[in-house]
Amino acid sequence: EAQVTQNPRYLITVTGKKLTVTCSQNMNHEYMSWYRQDPGLGLRQIYYSMNVEVTDKGDVPEGYKVSRKEKRNFPLILESPSPNQTSLYFCASSFPSTGPLHFGNGTRLTVT
Amino acid sequence: GENVEQHPSTLSVQEGDSAVIKCTYSDSASNYFPWYKQELGKRPQLIIDIRSNVGEKKDQRIAVTLNKTAKHFSLHITETQPEDSAVYFCAASPYDKIIFGKGTRLHILP
Repeated sequence: EAQVTQNPRYLITVTGKKLTVTCSQNMNHEYMSWYRQDPGLGLRQIYYSMNVEVTDKGDVPEGYKVSRKEKRNFPLILESPSPNQTSLYFCASSFPSTGPLHFGNGTRLTVT
Repeated sequence: GENVEQHPSTLSVQEGDSAVIKCTYSDSASNYFPWYKQELGKRPQLIIDIRSNVGEKKDQRIAVTLNKTAKHFSLHITETQPEDSAVYFCAASPYDKIIFGKGTRLHILP
């Protein structure tokens, strides 16, 4: 089944404790992206990647890192999480970049 | 950069009536305009999209129109049904980014 898989679905952590949210797609898509969703603010792009080893900042990249060492994986890294990063995070992929996005099930992150 | 405005933020319509959601964008380089539906607790899913070389596209009860000159596009849902209740997001794509509007919560009233 074609899908985007994110893990974990729920994560509660404390300020400053490094964490990684994983994202994997099995559709051989070149384009992958991370979004955060907050009430009243819609979906805001954090980082995106056009292909392996190619990543670019979206609209809200501060406090986040990504890597694209393999085509299928695009992990989101929070080196030192803060409470304002509490949010619902979605990973998505598409082919081409201007094509329908396939979203993962989301990761609800709480930073205390 | 691109900015997408979406209106209204909340919309209530009687079952069977039509619903219209409007979006405007700022970057004339945008050439792809998708619409996503997000049901409560679920991921966003594409319902329809349109590219800049097309003025209108229809898929059963859903249609999207695009006015490139005015930089606005709209989603039309006819004969609304209870399962249409959800949050709808428009988006515009200049180059490699996809910028979303803030969403419209659609309530279908019995």
